Formats: sequence, C-alpha cells, structure tokens
Amino acid sequence: GESVGLHLPTLSVQEGDNSIINCAYSNSASDYFIWYKQESGKGPQFIIDIRSNMDKRQGQRVTVLLNKTVKHLSLQIAATQPGDSAVYFCAERPYQGGKLIFGQGTELSVKP
Amino acid sequence: EAQVTQNPRYLITVTGKKLTVTCSQNMNHEYMSWYRQDPGLGLRQIYYSMNVEVTDKGDVPEGYKVSRKEKRNFPLILESPSPNQTSLYFCASRPLRGTFTGELFFGEGSRLTVL
Repeated sequence: GESVGLHLPTLSVQEGDNSIINCAYSNSASDYFIWYKQESGKGPQFIIDIRSNMDKRQGQRVTVLLNKTVKHLSLQIAATQPGDSAVYFCAERPYQGGKLIFGQGTELSVKP
Repeated sequence: EAQVTQNPRYLITVTGKKLTVTCSQNMNHEYMSWYRQDPGLGLRQIYYSMNVEVTDKGDVPEGYKVSRKEKRNFPLILESPSPNQTSLYFCASRPLRGTFTGELFFGEGSRLTVL
C-alpha cells in the first residue's frame, strides 16, 4: 500500500557537520511533500515543503531535495547545531485535496 | 500568540471511564484534525473536520468521537477508553483558504494512559 518511510531510524552527527535525512515514498502521484521537526515533549513543527514540480528548495540552513525518478526525498541541514536534535518526519500528499501521510521519523542526535 | 492548545497534557485513567481531550485554536482555521502517535507507527489520523459541523473519519477512528460545534474547538471524546488507546495525541489545524502549504499547526500533545 501507500507509505512514506525513512531509511534510518537514528542519525548521529557532530556539531557543525551537515546532516542528511532521507525519506522514500511509494506513491508516484503525490504532489506535495513536507518535512516536520519534533522536539522532545513537543508537537511537530513545519520546516519546509516542496511541490512535485520542483527538484530542490532551500530555506534557512535547510534544503529539501526531491528525486521523483527513484521516489526519494531528503532533508539537508547545514552546520548542524545542538538545537537541531529532534525527530524529523517527512509527509506526502498523495493527491490534491488528500490528507497528509506521515513517515515514522528519524531521530537526529547532534554531538557537541 | 497563534497556537493550538490541548488539555489535559497528561492523563492517567481507567478502562471504561469516559474522557474528553479538548483542543482549541486561535487562528480561525477551518481545518482541524486529531492524530495519535505510537512508537513504530508514526502519526495516524483519527478524525478531521473541514469546518463547523463537518467531521470525517481518518485512518483509526474506532473508539473515538469528535464534535465541531464552534470553529475554534475540536474535542476528542473517548466514550469507553481501553488500554490500546494509551498513546500520545496531537491536535492540529490549518487554513483551507488561500494557497495550500500543507503546514499543519500542532498542539503540544496529550499523553494518555489507560489502565
């Protein structure tokens, strides 16, 4: 069935390094993708989104890449900081008007 | 401050004792939704509402009820809680008007334990 999954459940990086969090999706018709950040004890927070007609979108220290050929989504965080430690979820919208489907999350741990 | 407020944040209850988790948003959003978050299963949608008096089932609605009598409030009702409803619950909202961004605004979560 349709699913959004993450390749790695945990990721540990050194402070100052770049982080890459990956996500695979199965629905080639999905038209919209989003990354959320969830800090411990809090609700998910929107980070960045990308439409299916784009390959790349940049925000502040974050970049989302979309490869529709292999149905792969990634979130790159530049100069990772301790405050970036959190669980990161990807989500997809399988069709216009459809509800978001969330992946299970990757826990990012930043070592000082 | 724009926010989604859930109450209670933590609750321990016993099987069969009816409870309500309240959710209120101050952003005038049309869309509101409830999710539960369980280890290994991610966020799963319970119910959602597109506007006042309009509600619909999500992926895991069994054992839950909702109502949307006012635009700002979307309570989640567990008529007869069971241990398998022990979970972390999130309420979320977003506007339906304007360009779709997919940005859901989440509450801080309500951790429910059913003994």
